[in-house]
Amino acid sequence: EVVLTQSPATLSVSPGERATLSCRASESVWNNVAWYHQRPGQAPRLLIYGTSIRATGIPARFSGSGSGTEYTLTISSLQSEDSGLYSCQRYDNWPLTFGGGTKLEIK
Amino acid sequence: QLQLQESGPGLVKPSATLSLICSVSGGSINDANHYWAWIRQPPGKGLQWIGNVYYSGTTHYNPSPSLRGRVAISVDSSRNQFFLQVTSVTAADTAVYYCARLTKDTAMDRLDPWGQGTLVTVSS
Repeated sequence: EVVLTQSPATLSVSPGERATLSCRASESVWNNVAWYHQRPGQAPRLLIYGTSIRATGIPARFSGSGSGTEYTLTISSLQSEDSGLYSCQRYDNWPLTFGGGTKLEIK
Repeated sequence: QLQLQESGPGLVKPSATLSLICSVSGGSINDANHYWAWIRQPPGKGLQWIGNVYYSGTTHYNPSPSLRGRVAISVDSSRNQFFLQVTSVTAADTAVYYCARLTKDTAMDRLDPWGQGTLVTVSS
């Protein structure tokens, strides 16, 4: 099973600044990485898939990059509504796995 | 716009079977391009994929020791619904359970959209 490790576990950033979230895989996942954002009490929402493709309606300040085993979600110009849990996910082969998540706090 | 909605008991007794329904609206579950997935999230923890079903009935399950051998996912195309059963539940199965549509596309697999989730508590 491919293990995804996200870092940092928690991140506190001021509004208007940039946040960089990391997702490391235990073996190559061939760019098949998606990112989700989840506010407390809400379902996850797809942000990015295929490493760097923004989902419908996701603003351009969200961007994804990476290859092999290292992937990054960057949120530029943070806004208050960006707080919450960010989870990466891969499914290049069974089973589908998620990272443990990064909790983003807006100061 | 495709929407998914989970339903089922919010309280299940230990050793009993957890049963949930996901109702799909705004689109057909008979879709060769997608799978239908169950995911859960224990309170304060991360997401765990439980398994998928295809409209034909083909399933894939998480082989994790916490779920192995206890999960069954099925589909009823005539009702546009799919189902989750988890047998012999314990307190460790307490979680918010989500259903979602899984798109499998070369290097672009993703879960979207998701249902709102339903909290299932295992307690006597």
